[in-house]
Amino acid sequence: QSALTQPASVSGSPGQTITISCTGSSSDVGRYNLVSWYQQHPGKAPKLMISQVSKRPSGVSNRFSGSKSDNTASLTISGLQAEDEADYYCCSYGGGGTVLFGEGTKLTVL
Amino acid sequence: EVQLVESGGGLVQPGGSLRLSCAASGFTFSTYWMHWVRQVPGKGLVWVSRIRSDGSYTSYADSVKGRFTISRDNARNTLYLQMNSLRAEDTALYYCAREPCNPGCDFFDYWGQGALVTVSS
Repeated sequence: QSALTQPASVSGSPGQTITISCTGSSSDVGRYNLVSWYQQHPGKAPKLMISQVSKRPSGVSNRFSGSKSDNTASLTISGLQAEDEADYYCCSYGGGGTVLFGEGTKLTVL
Repeated sequence: EVQLVESGGGLVQPGGSLRLSCAASGFTFSTYWMHWVRQVPGKGLVWVSRIRSDGSYTSYADSVKGRFTISRDNARNTLYLQMNSLRAEDTALYYCAREPCNPGCDFFDYWGQGALVTVSS
């Protein structure tokens, strides 16, 4: 049960587009379309941003989108805004009833 | 309004036990799978355990298997996590979270505010 691999940090200027990657294996990310993404601001609980690879919950800005190719999932944020600055975590079903989270990525809006 | 409120956290000595509770409201608790996720302050999220809506199936992360037990009381709309043989590395903020699909979809649409567990002598 190893954590999924994410870059420790990414940054971008307001208005830019950034992408956060999440790499797993053929046993988790590559095998199931059950990747989700969470945003977490300091001192707050995580917030669901993307479910099932690319589904955006009601109320989440359409600037957030998700995709997957082989063993790597991606979260793309377009039109970067100051309030997007937060930690982002990917998550995948790991098989055998388990769930895996990514290590987390700190997004800095310059 | 969906609410999940954890309680029962605190300071416990290594080898000790603690039981966390998560009181659910605003939805039909008995029809949802529920999970516990933990986070060491300043670190990442780590999945701990899940339980089926009727309590008939549970699963655990390897790091807590044999020491933690997840359970639920659907009549009281409450999720539990019994933690035994606690170790320093179990120190974390423990969140309960709802999985919105039955059968499962393995994502979490609502989270509690967390209960802090500190294991230290």
